[in-house]
Amino acid sequence: DGGITQSPKYLFRKEGQNVTLSCEQNLNHDAMYWYRQDPGQGLRLIYYSQIVNDFQKGDIAEGYSVSREKKESFPLTVTSAQKNPTAFYLCASSIQGRGSGANVLTFGAGSRLTVL
Amino acid sequence: AQKITQTQPGMFVQEKEAVTLDCTYDTSDQSYGLFWYKQPSSGEMIFLIYQGSYDEQNATEGRYSLNFQKARKSANLVISASQLGDSAMYFCAMREILTGGGNKLTFGTGTQLKVEL
Repeated sequence: DGGITQSPKYLFRKEGQNVTLSCEQNLNHDAMYWYRQDPGQGLRLIYYSQIVNDFQKGDIAEGYSVSREKKESFPLTVTSAQKNPTAFYLCASSIQGRGSGANVLTFGAGSRLTVL
Repeated sequence: AQKITQTQPGMFVQEKEAVTLDCTYDTSDQSYGLFWYKQPSSGEMIFLIYQGSYDEQNATEGRYSLNFQKARKSANLVISASQLGDSAMYFCAMREILTGGGNKLTFGTGTQLKVEL
């Protein structure tokens, strides 16, 4: 079955350490996204990529980095520069399209990062 | 900038009753899309329903319908015949079409729905 796989599901890190969250999709989608969710808040966009080897900052990109070397993969690195990294991180993908169609975002199951 | 407002932090409904979750939006775009997603306690985001700004009829998907009132900039979700499995967080989101064809979704803060026996 097609879908998005995020790993790890739970991750603990010490302050000052970088950590990389994996996101892999087999939906043949061109666009991929990373969102952050904090308790009681909606999702906020960190980074997005519309094509391989290209990505753009979202609303809260500071302290994060991404790469898009393959269509299927869009890993997110939470760096030590991110002041409040404890959160739930969701990866998503969608088709590209300029029309009025839904272009629904399909989400992975998420990765919960806790900084100790 | 686009903005989504969900004013109901939490809602209770009895099983088999209908419930309306409110969503208002603000945008200067003429073409936009509105989504509702469900997030159970497991954390995954499940797509429920979509309404395009030019769609003349309200969207329906099974027990879900979207009450779209363009002039009032509202896109309320109606769940009919509530079931215990409907207990979850519900998010309203608006789509901005990016240069290049991708989508940027702006989310509201969500409404926690609890279905009771």
